[in-house]
Amino acid sequence: DAKTTQPPSMDCAEGRAANLPCNHSTISGNEYVYWYRQIHSQGPQYIIHGLKNNETNEMASLIITEDRKSSTLILPHATLRDTAVYYCIVRAPNSGAGSYQLTFGKGTKLSVIP
Amino acid sequence: NAGVMQNPRHLVRRRGQEARLRCSPMKGHSHVYWYRQLPEEGLKFMVYLQKENIIDESGMPKERFSAEFPKEGPSILRIQQVVRGDSAAYFCASSPNLQGMSYEQYFGPGTRLTVT
Repeated sequence: DAKTTQPPSMDCAEGRAANLPCNHSTISGNEYVYWYRQIHSQGPQYIIHGLKNNETNEMASLIITEDRKSSTLILPHATLRDTAVYYCIVRAPNSGAGSYQLTFGKGTKLSVIP
Repeated sequence: NAGVMQNPRHLVRRRGQEARLRCSPMKGHSHVYWYRQLPEEGLKFMVYLQKENIIDESGMPKERFSAEFPKEGPSILRIQQVVRGDSAAYFCASSPNLQGMSYEQYFGPGTRLTVT
């Protein structure tokens, strides 16, 4: 019952932009798109989230399509330390049982190559 | 500006012993979540707690596992009579209290439990 679909792996050259796609065609109107990453053996790290507008912070940019059925996480200048598994998660605001948890799929393993 | 703290970072227990995992949330956060990551698998939600209350334990195994978040002190995940299948990384996350709003969860470094 996956709510998101991501490619299992991607490569990116160091210094280039990494563009990680995510499909969420069944997203509901009140569900946000979250991105987390997990560097080997570490705890997941929050990256960014958005509802319908594009978002940018010091780590990344999030581009959400107008119909909200897909999104792209952009790391503008990938470094070796960005090698990690990236998870795209859709989640409604705190609204009762089942809404509190983050549901992690298999994510995309991004390898940044020197 | 400490983040989420977990201890111990590594824990080894023999089958049948008890494991206690501790989590101190970020300053100002009153909500705690526990997740488990089995080897080569993704993170799975276990339980969500607020101070002195269990809000959602839908991901907790029915036996041997319990969690608490007392008024004072860290949140504790307790596993009684551990078995080899309990070997995993256990992550704690915390968030502020923003009912009805969107908010991120911040994760700790995890406790790696090995059952021998």
